[in-house]
Amino acid sequence: KAGVTQTPRYLIKTRGQQVTLSCSPISGHRSVSWYQQTPGQGLQFLFEYFSETQRNKGNFPGRFSGRQFSNSRSEMNVSTLELGDSALYLCASCGSHTDEKLFFGSGTQLSVL
Amino acid sequence: KNQVEQSPQSLIILEGKNCTLQCNYTVSPFSNLRWYKQDTGRGPVSLTIMTFSENTKSNGRYTATLDADTKQSSLHITASQLSDSASYICVVSADNDMRFGAGTRLTVKP
Repeated sequence: KAGVTQTPRYLIKTRGQQVTLSCSPISGHRSVSWYQQTPGQGLQFLFEYFSETQRNKGNFPGRFSGRQFSNSRSEMNVSTLELGDSALYLCASCGSHTDEKLFFGSGTQLSVL
Repeated sequence: KNQVEQSPQSLIILEGKNCTLQCNYTVSPFSNLRWYKQDTGRGPVSLTIMTFSENTKSNGRYTATLDADTKQSSLHITASQLSDSASYICVVSADNDMRFGAGTRLTVKP
């Protein structure tokens, strides 16, 4: 069974640009959540999608958005990139409820220059 | 304020030795506490999940304990191996909130 797949693995952008990251959950998983990880702030929850609807949201500005498709694949978009957005962006999936075990992808390393 | 504090920040031990990592939290209302292992350049991997009524849970050489009264958890690693070198992250969930500790960086040396 394939794990959580995130693409691209690495990304370099410049300030002001926008970026879209992709996440394919484990087959059968309907919940996809996104996280930002930086050396200074550690892991922080961005948002969670379930059945194409945002179910939970962390404390991030509106520049960070996401969506989920009918096949449970999810995308995350960051607009008007800032230097501080440089981070490892992780996606995780689980069956239906976030009390279940989360399975993480290897992440997308975003560098904003 | 909902917080999760982990200690120590980093730890170096010799292969074969045991170690214990600590996690203190103020997250409320408590839903569950998870321990994750994260290798460099990879996503976190779940080790244990504990709810309010559970006070110990094992996963191989990893044993997590939870004291919901004092809001403390520990992760004990027995007979450490070189592959245990990683960051260990404590995550505490409330109803619609998930708080991450900064992690403990463990290095196991031969």
